[in-house]
Amino acid sequence: GAGVSQSPSNKVTEKGKDVELRCDPISGHTALYWYRQSLGQGLEFLIYFQGNSAPDKSGLPSDRFSAERTGGSVSTLTIQRTQQEDSAVYLCASRATSGREGEQYFGPGTRLTVT
Amino acid sequence: LAKTTQPISMDSYEGQEVNITCSHNNIATNDYITWYQQFPSQGPRFIIQGYKTKVTNEVASLFIPADRKSSTLSLPRVSLSDTAVYYCLVVRTGVGQGGKLIFGQGTELSVKP
Repeated sequence: GAGVSQSPSNKVTEKGKDVELRCDPISGHTALYWYRQSLGQGLEFLIYFQGNSAPDKSGLPSDRFSAERTGGSVSTLTIQRTQQEDSAVYLCASRATSGREGEQYFGPGTRLTVT
Repeated sequence: LAKTTQPISMDSYEGQEVNITCSHNNIATNDYITWYQQFPSQGPRFIIQGYKTKVTNEVASLFIPADRKSSTLSLPRVSLSDTAVYYCLVVRTGVGQGGKLIFGQGTELSVKP
């Protein structure tokens, strides 16, 4: 079946602009995660959604970052007033409720470049 | 969560068996050991997960000693296409834990012809 999809695949934006990144998880997966990967910081956890529970936002680096998940499916990660240090690959992953807790399915990522 | 330590890089040749060892001295009772593989410009891919002793699937084997303070990922007969970064992670399970993945620096495996 279809895997996790993300859009856009690449995004170039000017410093100070807002950006929205989209994630479509695997159908039926109730858990959804956002991570980012940059040269300096490696792969970092950002936020986690599970069903109707309050999201775990413990990894968000600043209040410029927010995410929502509508209808328990699609998720949008929003970065306001982008800064150059936000440049990274943003990865989304999903997991089935019945699956192993360590087994997540990752999308191809969105490469964000802030100029 | 338990911190993991693994070699930064390893070299191998096609057809050899590769063993990557990871240490996780502070692993807790409800932690599982999980390995991921990542190719350039792709998201990480789950390889294998285990709790103790040995786990084997079609891709790899995972060996975990009784004290669980380390684990070894074994890749049989590697090929050039196994060149990738391999991450060892400790995943906390249980109600409310979420299973979020905390990645370390990984091991960059280079397979040569």
